[in-house]
Amino acid sequence: EAAVTQSPRNKVAVTGGKVTLSCNQTNNHNNMYWYRQDTGHGLRLIHYSYGAGSTEKGDIPDGYKASRPSQENFSLILELATPSQTSVYFCASGWDWDYEQYFGPGTRLTVL
Amino acid sequence: GDSVTQTEGQVALSEEDFLTIHCNYSASGYPALFWYVQYPGEGPQFLFRASRDKEKGSSRGFEATYDKGTTSFHLRKASVQESDSAVYYCALRDNNAPRFGAGTKLSVKP
Repeated sequence: EAAVTQSPRNKVAVTGGKVTLSCNQTNNHNNMYWYRQDTGHGLRLIHYSYGAGSTEKGDIPDGYKASRPSQENFSLILELATPSQTSVYFCASGWDWDYEQYFGPGTRLTVL
Repeated sequence: GDSVTQTEGQVALSEEDFLTIHCNYSASGYPALFWYVQYPGEGPQFLFRASRDKEKGSSRGFEATYDKGTTSFHLRKASVQESDSAVYYCALRDNNAPRFGAGTKLSVKP
């Protein structure tokens, strides 16, 4: 079964600080995704990647950067964190767009 | 753009009740449609998918039929259990990135 892990699981950051969320998958999936989950909005796509070295903007990329240094790892970077970025963030991986995604356990981020 | 609408934000049932969660989509062509389930404290889990008109997807007693005519993919289960309490997400994938609905929280009383 697909294994996707995220770190940290919980993070408290200060406004204006830099935050890096990490994701690792062990099934050699090509695609990886970063979502945020907010009440009333469901899951919204921030960035995604087709493979090592590639990153693409999703629906809500403003204020976020992404990095895919290897097939296994995909990071989400908040250069200047703001309180509006307080949310639960999920990483996911999958073989291809048309097939299922495997999600990590999530990271709860609070920006004070 | 492509979108998914889940009519019910919350559904409260008793064990053995019949479940329907409505999902309608807006997209061109024949997008792949998905259902995911999310238990408290966990990430969403894939339930099943369908990609052709009249195709039925099913898993764990849940099922949904792709209906191009009504642009729907409603989730149904004949008899729910307390353990089915979770948030359910409908999603689609067309020419662009995946789109998820807002989710439906199902609460089942014993």
